[in-house]
Order: sequence, then structure tokens, then C-alpha cells
Amino acid sequence: DGGITQSPKYLFRKEGQNVTLSCEQNLNHDAMYWYRQDPGQGLRLIYYSQIVNDFQKGDIAEGYSVSREKKESFPLTVTSAQKNPTAFYLCASSTTGSRAEAFFGQGTRLTVV
Amino acid sequence: GEDVEQSLFLSVREGDSSVINCTYTDSSSTYLYWYKQEPGAGLQLLTYIFSNMDMKQDQRLTVLLNKKDKHLSLRIADTQTGDSAIYFCAESMGNDKIIFGKGTRLHILP
Repeated sequence: DGGITQSPKYLFRKEGQNVTLSCEQNLNHDAMYWYRQDPGQGLRLIYYSQIVNDFQKGDIAEGYSVSREKKESFPLTVTSAQKNPTAFYLCASSTTGSRAEAFFGQGTRLTVV
Repeated sequence: GEDVEQSLFLSVREGDSSVINCTYTDSSSTYLYWYKQEPGAGLQLLTYIFSNMDMKQDQRLTVLLNKKDKHLSLRIADTQTGDSAIYFCAESMGNDKIIFGKGTRLHILP
């Protein structure tokens, strides 16, 4: 079945460590996105990519990095520079153009211990 | 600027209609969306409306768009306990960027 898959579902990180969240889609979508969700904050855009080998910073990119080496994959690295990384992270993909309907993964809950 | 605003909470009795409201600022939006998020899960697209439409109905869901006031609403008829979730309004900017509101948490009263 076509869809978008995030892994792992739960992730624990020690302070000072980098950690990478996986996002894979087989929908043949050009655009992919990473959002962070905190209680009462809604979705905040971290990074997005409209095409392979290109990506742009969103509203809260500091302390995060991404790569887009393949159309299907858009991994997010939470670096030690991100001071408050505990959150729910959502990956999405969409077609390009005016009707950019987004499809979401099930999310990864990251907790710093 | 780009902004989508929603109220954060709504409580409705089971069987009543729920109306979730949203305002947006960018008049160049081409599509507007409603997403549903259940606890611990990703967002699921419920419905969308093209900006040249006033209304769209899909079973229990009715979307109303007032383009002049930049106001979008989602009405859920005969609200059930399974409708308890966070509902996000979103707009598509035509440049592949999607702007989301903060979400409205719908609570169903027995």
C-alpha cells in the first residue's frame, strides 16, 4: 500500500547526543516536510524539501538538520544544539502545485532523558 | 503575511452539531483543508475546498468558505464520541508550502 512511514514510533535520547528520525514515502511525492508538535502549539515547520537534493529552513530550523538524497527519504537529525528536543515529530509529503494535499506519517515521540 | 488562526478548544454534546472555525490571512490561498488528529497519531485529511467554492458537503461534514472575510468553518453533524480529536485548518499557498493552524481540540460531552 502507498503511504508514509516514520520510525521509530518512540525514541529516547540522552542529553548531548544527536539522533536521526526516519521518514520514507512511496507515494512518489516531490515535496516532504518535518513538523514539530508541542502541546497547545499546533504544528511548527522545521524543514521542507520540494525536490531531491534541495531543502529549505522552516520556522524553527535551529538545532536540526536534514538531507534529501532520495525522493523517497527525508531523514531529520536532532542535534545536541537543539536545547529542548522533547516533542512529537511529524513527517509529511505532498504533491507539488496549488493542491498540495499533505499525507502524514504516524509520528515519532522523542524524549530526552 | 501567512497565518491561520483557530480557537483552541470546543466542547459539544453527543448528537449535537460541532462547528469549528478558522480564519486565514493570505487571499492568494488556492485550497483550504481540514485535518483530524487522533491521540498519538499523525494528521488525516478530512476534506478540502477549492477557493472558488462556497460550500462542500461530504456525509456528516460541511465546509463553508467566506472568501471575503477569509473565514472557513467545518460543521460536523450528529457529533459522535469518535469525533473527539484535534482538528487543524490549513491553507495551500500555491508554492508547495502548507500553513497549519494550531488546531482545535474537540471534546464530546455525554
